[in-house]
Amino acid sequence: GEQVEQRPPHLSVREGDSAFITCTYTDPNSYYFFWYKQEPGASLQLLMKVFSSTEINEGQGFTVLLNKKDKRLSLNLTAAHPGDSAAYFCAVSNYGNEKITFGAGTKLTIKP
Amino acid sequence: GGIITQTPKFLIGQEGQKLTLKCQQNFNHDTMYWYRQDSGKGLRLIYYSITENDLQKGDLSEGYDASREKKSSFSLTVTSAQKNEMAVFLCASSIRGVSYEQYFGPGTRLTVL
Repeated sequence: GEQVEQRPPHLSVREGDSAFITCTYTDPNSYYFFWYKQEPGASLQLLMKVFSSTEINEGQGFTVLLNKKDKRLSLNLTAAHPGDSAAYFCAVSNYGNEKITFGAGTKLTIKP
Repeated sequence: GGIITQTPKFLIGQEGQKLTLKCQQNFNHDTMYWYRQDSGKGLRLIYYSITENDLQKGDLSEGYDASREKKSSFSLTVTSAQKNEMAVFLCASSIRGVSYEQYFGPGTRLTVL
């Protein structure tokens, strides 16, 4: 089945710097890709979803990159601020598949 | 919009006890899920259900039962609670046939004494 590897497991950056998180997946038929954010003590919140045909997707303060050739999904938080401190999880699923495979998560800490 | 509610928020049980966690969603979503999240770790799928009365095992189903009584509710039973399964249990739901993104409830934190 699908395997998703997420790196790094812990990341600490200074306020105003960028933070970069990467996931690699194994199934070439993967079609839907998600990033979730989990603040301390809270549940998972959908940050962004991208589809197989999307390569770059921009949100407020972050960019998601999908490289289908390398089977790599990345999240780049630009100009990090304290509210970005959280755990981030990537998730991958196939077209028509109810199950999502999650990465192990990255705990991001923003230092003042 | 909709909401997923999980009860109870905190659940304390004795080792060997049978414990039930409940989840309700008003999104009118077809599919519901139960995940376990150990402290500082990722999510592991226990059970999911694509419609009322359907049950599908996940990677971590041993030691658990589930029940989808109606479209809006999904229950999880820990058949014999063990200290090593103290964790947060997250319920989620999604629409079938769209993009399968899952929406999560606030979680139930299980403590086993």
